[in-house]
Amino acid sequence: GDSVTQMEGPVTLSEEAFLTINCTYTATGYPSLFWYVQYPGEGLQLLLKATKADDKGSNKGFEATYRKETTSFHLEKGSVQVSDSAVYFCALIESRVTGRRALTFGSGTRLQVQP
Amino acid sequence: KAGVTQTPRYLIKTRGQQVTLSCSPISGHRSVSWYQQTPGQGLQFLFEYFSETQRNKGNFPGRFSGRQFSNSRSEMNVSTLELGDSALYLCASSLVGTSGSYEQYFGPGTRLTVT
Repeated sequence: GDSVTQMEGPVTLSEEAFLTINCTYTATGYPSLFWYVQYPGEGLQLLLKATKADDKGSNKGFEATYRKETTSFHLEKGSVQVSDSAVYFCALIESRVTGRRALTFGSGTRLQVQP
Repeated sequence: KAGVTQTPRYLIKTRGQQVTLSCSPISGHRSVSWYQQTPGQGLQFLFEYFSETQRNKGNFPGRFSGRQFSNSRSEMNVSTLELGDSALYLCASSLVGTSGSYEQYFGPGTRLTVT
């Protein structure tokens, strides 16, 4: 079945540092890829998405590129802020082949940004 | 446009009882999915409803059920509660169209505690 693997956390960075959170996937067919963010006590917010190979999703300074050859969708940000402290989830949906509209999530990576 | 709303936000139940959770999707969204989030198992798909029909189901026992109404609002029910059902239950809505990306937008969740 489909699966998503994320790097273990927590990731602790100083403010203005560069962020990379690694994500790789295994999927049948042609998945769409997503990054979601969860702040304490809240639900998931869609951060960015990419629907086909070489697409780059971007939002709020975060970027991720859909790499089909390496089955990866790494999240990056050039300069993190304390307000970016949260848990980040990589996820996929593969519906075109399977007809199944269900997100498969990674285990999440906690980011802590120190001032 | 209002986001996904879930009620109640917090719930405490006793083992053996049953519970009903409610979800109102974003206006115009006809697909509603439910997920369970626990520290041990992470985010797991429960089921998806579209046009009042269950389209997909995750690997959960029959104690977990749901339904969708003609206005796209959805409820999920858990009968004979067990301690392991303590979790954050997240509802997500989606605009199912021709783009094929099926991004899902989440509500704040219902925190269920079973004692």
